[in-house]
Amino acid sequence: GIQVEQSPPDLILQEGANSTLRCNFSDSVNNLQWFHQNPWGQLINLFYIPSGTKQNGRLSATTVATERYSLLYISSSQTTDSGVYFCAVDRGNNRLAFGKGNQVVVIP
Amino acid sequence: EPEVTQTPSHQVTQMGQEVILRCVPISNHLYFYWYRQILGQKVEFLVSFYNNEISEKSEIFDDQFSVERPDGSNFTLKIRSTKLEDSAMYFCASSGLGLGNSPLHFGNGTRLTVT
Repeated sequence: GIQVEQSPPDLILQEGANSTLRCNFSDSVNNLQWFHQNPWGQLINLFYIPSGTKQNGRLSATTVATERYSLLYISSSQTTDSGVYFCAVDRGNNRLAFGKGNQVVVIP
Repeated sequence: EPEVTQTPSHQVTQMGQEVILRCVPISNHLYFYWYRQILGQKVEFLVSFYNNEISEKSEIFDDQFSVERPDGSNFTLKIRSTKLEDSAMYFCASSGLGLGNSPLHFGNGTRLTVT
């Protein structure tokens, strides 16, 4: 099946700092989503971004489908940004494959 | 904004017991899914469901698992005889169109603990 690799696995940020999370995938995809899993375990949909760039407040994402990667940018990080960020992709077979996640801790 | 709702939020059961996890997908969605996440690990696909039948299932989804859409609003996952290794967070999701054409929306999960 398709392989999804996320880096870095762990990241500690000072509040106010910016960061970039990366997702590489091993095959062409029809769908790519970024999720934030908060400390209560809830999966929050951040972006549906099979290609191109989107922005939502302090977060933005870019997917370069031809080069098989996606980036999630967090600007001016806040403690509420802490949690695990998951990238997930689908090849059109109706099953999302998740990466292992980026564990982000934002310290005040 | 419409949400996927799951009940219960936490279920504790004894090994060998049957459990039913319940989900109400977003009302105009057509595709339904179950995923699970063992503590500290990544989220894994279990099954997708469309037009009252399973469209895809993973190797995890063996004969102990079944899904059902008993009425126009609920979508359930049944584990027939739970094992310790079934302890996990179970997520229900739905999408308006098939994957590749629209995003998945996830519920808040049911944390299943098998003792």
